[in-house]
Amino acid sequence: KAGVTQTPRYLIKTRGQQVTLSCSPISGHRSVSWYQQTPGQGLQFLFEYFSETQRNKGNFPGRFSGRQFSNSRSEMNVSTLELGDSALYLCASVPPGAQETQYFGPGTRLLVL
Amino acid sequence: SQQGEEDPQALSIQEGENATMNCSYKTSINNLQWYRQNSGRGLVHLILIRSNEREKHSGRLRVTLDTSKKSSSLLITASRAADTASYFCATDAAGAQKLVFGQGTRLTINP
Repeated sequence: KAGVTQTPRYLIKTRGQQVTLSCSPISGHRSVSWYQQTPGQGLQFLFEYFSETQRNKGNFPGRFSGRQFSNSRSEMNVSTLELGDSALYLCASVPPGAQETQYFGPGTRLLVL
Repeated sequence: SQQGEEDPQALSIQEGENATMNCSYKTSINNLQWYRQNSGRGLVHLILIRSNEREKHSGRLRVTLDTSKKSSSLLITASRAADTASYFCATDAAGAQKLVFGQGTRLTINP
């Protein structure tokens, strides 16, 4: 099976712009979680989607949003980008019936200038 | 906020030696997991230990869990250059898909 894929892998934006990142989970996985990784804050949970519904949300401002499609692919959007949004954004999918282990994609590295 | 605190933050050893890293957490958990990350890439799941388990092995990995001390350790035996990576513990205190990660231990294996 193909692993979790994330596009794009690298992205450069300027302050005030918005960005959309995409994540395709492993085939058959219906749960997708997003994480932000920065040198200062480490890995932080953003949100989790299951069957097109947001089930959990981390402590991030409303500029961070996401959605999930019927094919389980997920997107996250960050509006009005700030310099501090520069980070590695990771998504992870969870297999049905094994709700603990998460399979991570390679991440999207976002640089905000 | 980070639930897990990892110790040490960085560890450098010679190939063939054993590497031990520790993780402490703050609240009750259902399980604790260890992940590896190579140079800013995605995380790879290594091992999961449930709250009712005390020790678990997987190949060269040995994980212990002490729920009374809210701590875990990861031992990598007979280290190899390919083990060079950052290692993170993660707990599910907030829910199964909402992992809370420690800051990680950066492990360097010198040939």
